[in-house]
Amino acid sequence: GAVVSQHPSWVICKSGTSVKIECRSLDFQATTMFWYRQFPKQSLMLMATSNEGSKATYEQGVEKDKFLINHASLTLSTLTVTSAHPEDSSFYICSASDRDRYNTIYFGEGSWLTVV
Amino acid sequence: KNEVEQSPQNLTAQEGEFITINCSYSVGISALHWLQQHPGGGIVSLFMLSSGKKKHGRLIATINIQEKHSSLHITASHPRDSAVYICAAHFNNDMRFGAGTRLTVKP
Repeated sequence: GAVVSQHPSWVICKSGTSVKIECRSLDFQATTMFWYRQFPKQSLMLMATSNEGSKATYEQGVEKDKFLINHASLTLSTLTVTSAHPEDSSFYICSASDRDRYNTIYFGEGSWLTVV
Repeated sequence: KNEVEQSPQNLTAQEGEFITINCSYSVGISALHWLQQHPGGGIVSLFMLSSGKKKHGRLIATINIQEKHSSLHITASHPRDSAVYICAAHFNNDMRFGAGTRLTVKP
């Protein structure tokens, strides 16, 4: 079946540095990918929607300069947390929409980010 | 007000019990997802529904488009079913999530 792979699963970085999280659709082309954030014991929150080859659409309250999203190909989207702060520590999840399967959405396993 | 409401928030059951988790949404959707999130955080997509009913093993998901309501049922629950179950409404190019239901199944 379709698989969405996220990398890395776990990452620890120092305050002020940037960290990149990758989201790949392994056996389908994803014209649309979604990025979510989850705080402890809370539900998922949509951060942004990215369409291949165009700028991402960010949800209200999400800083586009801080959370850079690039969707350069039909199988890869990246989320870069720039100048990370401890409050950016969270669980980040991506999902991808398979246009050839009626836009079925598949979720990645998620990435734990800890900023120290 | 959250556009996707889930209930109950927490649910504890004995092994073998029949479980029902409910999800209501306030806007028209193109699809509704039921997700399972394990303690480590990883998410598994259980069902994607746009109408009717789907069954996979001991899991059954139903949706009533007119009433904007979906249910997830687990038959013969087992401790390994313990997880957080999240419903997600997909409309246009947007996804909205319920707060999740934390299910604990005791042996």
